[in-house]
Amino acid sequence: DGGITQSPKYLFRKEGQNVTLSCEQNLNHDAMYWYRQDPGQGLRLIYYSQIVNDFQKGDIAEGYSVSREKKESFPLTVTSAQKNPTAFYLCASSPFTSGKEKLFFGSGTQLSVL
Amino acid sequence: AQTVTQSQPEMSVQEAETVTLSCTYDTSESDYYLFWYKQPPSRQMILVIRQEAYKQQNATENRFSVNFQKAAKSFSLKISDSQLGDAAMYFCAEETSGSRLTFGEGTQLTVNP
Repeated sequence: DGGITQSPKYLFRKEGQNVTLSCEQNLNHDAMYWYRQDPGQGLRLIYYSQIVNDFQKGDIAEGYSVSREKKESFPLTVTSAQKNPTAFYLCASSPFTSGKEKLFFGSGTQLSVL
Repeated sequence: AQTVTQSQPEMSVQEAETVTLSCTYDTSESDYYLFWYKQPPSRQMILVIRQEAYKQQNATENRFSVNFQKAAKSFSLKISDSQLGDAAMYFCAEETSGSRLTFGEGTQLTVNP
């Protein structure tokens, strides 16, 4: 079955540590996105990529980094510079780089700080 | 920057009744897309309905319909014959440039049996 796979489902970060969240899709979608969701709030865009080897900052990119070396993969690294990383992280993809197609979401990763 | 506002943090409805969730947005574009997503307790994001701004006709999907008022920049969601499975957080979203979505803060819908 086609879809988006995020791993791990739960992740714990120690202070000063970088952690990487995985996002893989087998939908052959061009565009991929990372969103952050805090409790009781909407989704905020961290980074997005419309093509391999290219990505753009979203609204809250500070303290995060991404790469897009393969069309299928868009990992997110939460660096030690992100002082408040505890949140639910959602990866999404879409087939075209225009809004007429819906986003397909993964099942999310809950990141917590130890 | 685009903003999407959902003024109702919480709503409740009796099973089989109708409920309307409000959403307003702010954009300078003439052509854009609007969405309602549902997030149940599993936290999986599910598309409920989509509206293209250049279409005058309001979108409908079974029990879900929208009231799209372009001049007022309003995009409300009506759920008819509410079911227990409709209980979830509902997010309104607007497409910004490059297929980026800006989301509202959500409305938590409770369905009472």
